[in-house]
Amino acid sequence: NAGVTQTPKFQVLKTGQSMTLQCAQDMNHNSMYWYRQDPGMGLRLIYYSASEGTTDKGEVPNGYNVSRLNKREFSLRLESAAPSQTSVYFCASSIRDYEEYFGPGTRLTVL
Amino acid sequence: AQSVSQHNHHVILSEAASLELGCNYSYGGTVNLFWYVQYPGQHLQLLLKYFSGDPLVKGIKGFEAEFIKSKFSFNLRKPSVQWSDTAEYFCAVNFGNEKLTFGTGTRLTIIP
Repeated sequence: NAGVTQTPKFQVLKTGQSMTLQCAQDMNHNSMYWYRQDPGMGLRLIYYSASEGTTDKGEVPNGYNVSRLNKREFSLRLESAAPSQTSVYFCASSIRDYEEYFGPGTRLTVL
Repeated sequence: AQSVSQHNHHVILSEAASLELGCNYSYGGTVNLFWYVQYPGQHLQLLLKYFSGDPLVKGIKGFEAEFIKSKFSFNLRKPSVQWSDTAEYFCAVNFGNEKLTFGTGTRLTIIP
């Protein structure tokens, strides 16, 4: 099993550009999550999907959109990137007990 | 609001010292509790978890944590740390909803 995979690993954008971060899991998990990690702030939940076909806002959803394409895939889109979105983004998935399995992360820099 | 607090932001210890990292949460109901570790440049990995039963739980790499319900705490301990324990440690709580709430993390530096 590959577990949780994320692409790309690194990305540099200019302010105003758009991009989509991809996430896939092969563990047949129902729930998937997108977090951002910033120094001194821990992990903050952006959006999550408790099951295929549903998405909900987390703590910091502004400036982001998500799509739960199917049970395996959960993408995060930045429509118009801003420097405040410079961060490391982690995707995670879990089954019923909420133990989350994390992907390797995407390091995004917005200039 | 439901929240998770980790009061130690950065802890520096010498090898073989004992470790205790604090985690407190604000909620009186049933919770599920987790400690995750993030080694430099890597993603988060589960150290241990508590759902019910014996409040002293043992995890990987010699770590353990004790759930004290009356204190709303789930502190992480290790009797003797190693240089390889240098990492960031996150406490996380499920408050009976569909997601985890993470603390802000504690950076642990072990001096050889």
